[in-house]
Amino acid sequence: KAGVTQTPRYLIKTRGQQVTLSCSPISGHRSVSWYQQTPGQGLQFLFEYFSETQRNKGNFPGRFSGRQFSNSRSEMNVSTLELGDSALYLCASSSYGTGRQETQYFGPGTRLLVL
Amino acid sequence: KQEVTQIPAALSVPEGENLVLNCSFTDSAIYNLQWFRQDPGKGLTSLLLIQSSQREQTSGRLNASLDKSSGRSTLYIAASQPGDSATYLCALRDYGQNFVFGPGTRLSVLP
Repeated sequence: KAGVTQTPRYLIKTRGQQVTLSCSPISGHRSVSWYQQTPGQGLQFLFEYFSETQRNKGNFPGRFSGRQFSNSRSEMNVSTLELGDSALYLCASSSYGTGRQETQYFGPGTRLLVL
Repeated sequence: KQEVTQIPAALSVPEGENLVLNCSFTDSAIYNLQWFRQDPGKGLTSLLLIQSSQREQTSGRLNASLDKSSGRSTLYIAASQPGDSATYLCALRDYGQNFVFGPGTRLSVLP
């Protein structure tokens, strides 16, 4: 089974631009979660999608948004980029995203640099 | 608000040593706790998942324990190897179904 894939792997943008990142979950997984990882704040939960609906959301501004398609692929969008948005963005998938036996499987991440 | 801490922040040991990594959390209302490893610049690899009703899980040289009452989990690595060098993170799934990660312990195993 193929793992979680994320595209692109690296991205350079300038302040004020917007960016879209993509995540393809493991086949059959319906839950996709997004995380931001920075040296200062560590790994922080952005949001989770299940069956095309946002189920949970972390404490991030409205500039961060996402969506999920019928094939479970997910995209996240960051508008009006700021220098502080430079980070490794990780996507994780699981079968249902709930329940006590659920393991999350992570993709390799997209490294975003905002200049 | 759930807070997760990990001690130590960094650890350097000679090959072959047994070691313990610690994870502490403030709210015992969790569904599960998971330990991950992260290699530099890479994503996370799941190591062990402990359900809230369980006390420990084992996989090969790894053993993770969970004590909800004291808000603690430990990851025990037996007979450490240079290939174990990575950052180890613990993560909780709370009742709000959100994931909260600790800051990680950076482990170096010296040959």
